[in-house]
Amino acid sequence: KNQVEQSPQSLIILEGKNCTLQCNYTVSPFSNLRWYKQDTGRGPVSLTIMTFSENTKSNGRYTATLDADTKQSSLHITASQLSDSASYICVVTRDNYGQNFVFGPGTRLSVLP
Amino acid sequence: DAGITQSPRHKVTETGTPVTLRCHQTENHRYMYWYRQDPGHGLRLIHYSYGVKDTDKGEVSDGYSVSRSKTEDFLLTLESATSSQTSVYFCAISVKGDSNQPQHFGDGTRLSIL
Repeated sequence: KNQVEQSPQSLIILEGKNCTLQCNYTVSPFSNLRWYKQDTGRGPVSLTIMTFSENTKSNGRYTATLDADTKQSSLHITASQLSDSASYICVVTRDNYGQNFVFGPGTRLSVLP
Repeated sequence: DAGITQSPRHKVTETGTPVTLRCHQTENHRYMYWYRQDPGHGLRLIHYSYGVKDTDKGEVSDGYSVSRSKTEDFLLTLESATSSQTSVYFCAISVKGDSNQPQHFGDGTRLSIL
């Protein structure tokens, strides 16, 4: 079964601290893996997209890694800010036309002052 | 921000009534999608469109229909709403045929069916 799992389900950290979110997938075939940030009451916004051959990709304080052998990805947030409070969603694309997506349930991150 | 507008943003209605949600884009993208988001679940695809009058079903299409008569508008209709269709509905758009481009999402419609 094509599935994307994320851990932890929720996380609370203090402002300025780092954190890492995990994504494990059992999806085949694989085209790319995406991380989205979703603020409360808003739609998801793309952070990174990684293809099979990419191990890491950064977007400001966000760094995503991909291990295609173990089918794991992580999203590392450095020097967290209050505005990082959001849900983070991992998505695997199954086809080369970008039409077949498997979404994870998300990790809810709360950053406290 | 990508030019995607969903309307209405909130709606409360009764079981058995028809409901239509609208997604409007100003990006002239070919692909448009409707998803629903429920607690504990990832976004689930309802229907998508790959051009005017060209649509296809997603994994949770039962009870929903769609129409796309213009590039910029994609309508989602619940013919006879049920309580199980209470959810947050998101529209998304993407560039034609490029899987390495992100989807852009609207801000959602919160639908409550009593």
